Amino acid sequence: SQTIHQWPATLVQPVGSPLSLECTVEGTSNPNLYWYRQAAGRGLQLLFYSVGIGQISSEVPQNLSASRPQDRQFILSSKKLLLSDSGFYLCAWSVIRVNTQYFGPGTRLTVL
Amino acid sequence: AQKITQTQPGMFVQEKEAVTLDCTYDTSDPSYGLFWYKQPSSGEMIFLIYQGSYDQQNATEGRYSLNFQKARKSANLVISASQLGDSAMYFCAMREPPSNTGKLIFGQGTTLQVKP
Repeated sequence: SQTIHQWPATLVQPVGSPLSLECTVEGTSNPNLYWYRQAAGRGLQLLFYSVGIGQISSEVPQNLSASRPQDRQFILSSKKLLLSDSGFYLCAWSVIRVNTQYFGPGTRLTVL
Repeated sequence: AQKITQTQPGMFVQEKEAVTLDCTYDTSDPSYGLFWYKQPSSGEMIFLIYQGSYDQQNATEGRYSLNFQKARKSANLVISASQLGDSAMYFCAMREPPSNTGKLIFGQGTTLQVKP
């Protein structure tokens, strides 16, 4: 069966510090991968998606970036965090023709 | 542009009763998919149910059913026999074209509280 992992679960970082959130999927090949951000009590905002290794599409201009160095690994990064980057970050995967997205447990990021 | 609307910010339901969570959508694409997710306080998004635009019958998964009214562009979630564990935030979502990306757009969510 497929599983998706995200780490860390929680993170507190100062403004201006770098960020690296990692997401890995097990039990499937060539998945589509997604990064979302959720503000408290709000809906999900799609940040990036990837349909293959090295293929990254950005949905919202910001100081975040994403990379997919391996088929089942998706990384969200920032060189310098802003206060507005605080939120709950969710990674998800899906496969073509099914399209149901399955989510990881999420990372709660607080920028101080 | 595609859009998902959930007009109920919060709902209450008595334990063991049924509840309907509203979702309307807007799209010009004849092929689309509709999804419902549950987000408990832990934060994880849990997939509940899926309805394809060409499906003839309403989707059902255990106590969850999707009341799909294509002409009205609505895809309401019905939870039967509510349980305390159903208390959570619920999101309606729609698949965006092109379908090979699997991108979803989400509504703003409805918070459901089940009363004992």
